Amino acid sequence: EADIYQTPRYLVIGTGKKITLECSQTMGHDKMYWYQQDPGMELHLIHYSYGVNSTEKGDLSSESTVSRIRTEHFPLTLESARPSHTSQYLCASSSLYEQYFGPGTRLTVT
Amino acid sequence: SQQGEEDPQALSIQEGENATMNCSYKTSINNLQWYRQNSGRGLVHLILIRSNEREKHSGRLRVTLDTSKKSSSLLITASRAADTASYFCATDAGGYGGATNKLIFGTGTLLAVQP
Repeated sequence: EADIYQTPRYLVIGTGKKITLECSQTMGHDKMYWYQQDPGMELHLIHYSYGVNSTEKGDLSSESTVSRIRTEHFPLTLESARPSHTSQYLCASSSLYEQYFGPGTRLTVT
Repeated sequence: SQQGEEDPQALSIQEGENATMNCSYKTSINNLQWYRQNSGRGLVHLILIRSNEREKHSGRLRVTLDTSKKSSSLLITASRAADTASYFCATDAGGYGGATNKLIFGTGTLLAVQP
């Protein structure tokens, strides 16, 4: 089992609130990723990082932001949540090619 | 547009039967990976095949890659009820210049194995 954690697992929040989704890994991996996945659909890369102080936007445009101040921590922040942000958010990390995924955060914005 | 498309979208078989899923992609790749996802949870890596490989085995899994057709298949032999999950292919479009370590996921195949 991969040592990558996401909190919270489920979040229901009202429109306009600021939220931070946490992701931590204990494997010392340089590379970390955030994906967005709607039910029954493919994953879309929204952010990635190849190391501390390195972050890039992914292929799917997202209003969220990320930071990478420590190797093990890659939080994702939404400044003002909207119903269109309702989705599952998956965090992953890798050292070479294989990616290890956390259990995901299911976000619902009402 | 999607890099990877999989078919079938859904597959239902009996325990003990073999399950085959196919993945097609559009651009040149460095490697192709298959992942499994149980019921909306995180994904688990199953197997990786490099662009210069044609076939790879891991336990009950067999993966083939045809770069001329830009397609791959995943075969699960002697399926079990516990194999019920969604299966995704993912491509690293780094080509021969090296992997980008950014994966583009296919649309997934939902496999149901009936006991």
